[in-house]
Amino acid sequence: VQLVESGGRLVQPGGSLRLSCAASGFTFDNYWMSWIRQAPGKGLEWVANIRQDGIGRYHLDSVQGRFGVSRDNTKNLLFLQMNSLRVEDTAVYYCARIHHVDFTDEGFDYWGRGTLVTVSS
Amino acid sequence: DIVMTQSPRSLPVTPGEPASISCRSSQSLLASNGNIYLDWYVQKSGRSPQLLIYLASNRASGVPDRFSGSGSGTDFTLRISRVEAEDVGVYYCMQALRTPWTFGQGTKVEIK
Repeated sequence: VQLVESGGRLVQPGGSLRLSCAASGFTFDNYWMSWIRQAPGKGLEWVANIRQDGIGRYHLDSVQGRFGVSRDNTKNLLFLQMNSLRVEDTAVYYCARIHHVDFTDEGFDYWGRGTLVTVSS
Repeated sequence: DIVMTQSPRSLPVTPGEPASISCRSSQSLLASNGNIYLDWYVQKSGRSPQLLIYLASNRASGVPDRFSGSGSGTDFTLRISRVEAEDVGVYYCMQALRTPWTFGQGTKVEIK
């Protein structure tokens, strides 16, 4: 299993960014996927989950309406569209596979290395 | 939102000695299917987090058996039976019962 994020960079407040996560080594469309972020020197914060079909989506309240998780199952890609970025969105953004076990989906069993998003003027 | 509270925030440990970290949730993490949706992760310096324990008490693949998880309802514990130098890092609990999935603040484990 491999998850490789890309797309992070320096962006001004109010700007937009699209993060990508390339998945390999497993059957991508069998799994829920997720984005988690970590501000510099801080703890972990869940951002969004997306169901296998791409229709079921859940977002953190503070990003709802600004961020949108999506996926392309034909290309094994996960995305995070980030609009109206704020300074407080500065973080390393991790892509993760949601752990499927015993007929349930919970937690994250594989993580990417992350991509840094810096929002600053 | 379910609030996760860990203690202690910092844990100096002696190699070979046991260690434990506590995690408390503001609501029960027991689901109607009988699963307890509590995970433990460790993040070693400069690395991505990795899953240690899932559904409160199950070791993830490849995790040494010196790690164990216990608890039910709202109180949970991660135990390391004999700490090794490689166990240093920040440990997080996380609830996956209800979105937003929420993490504890983290416990930094370091060698004395």
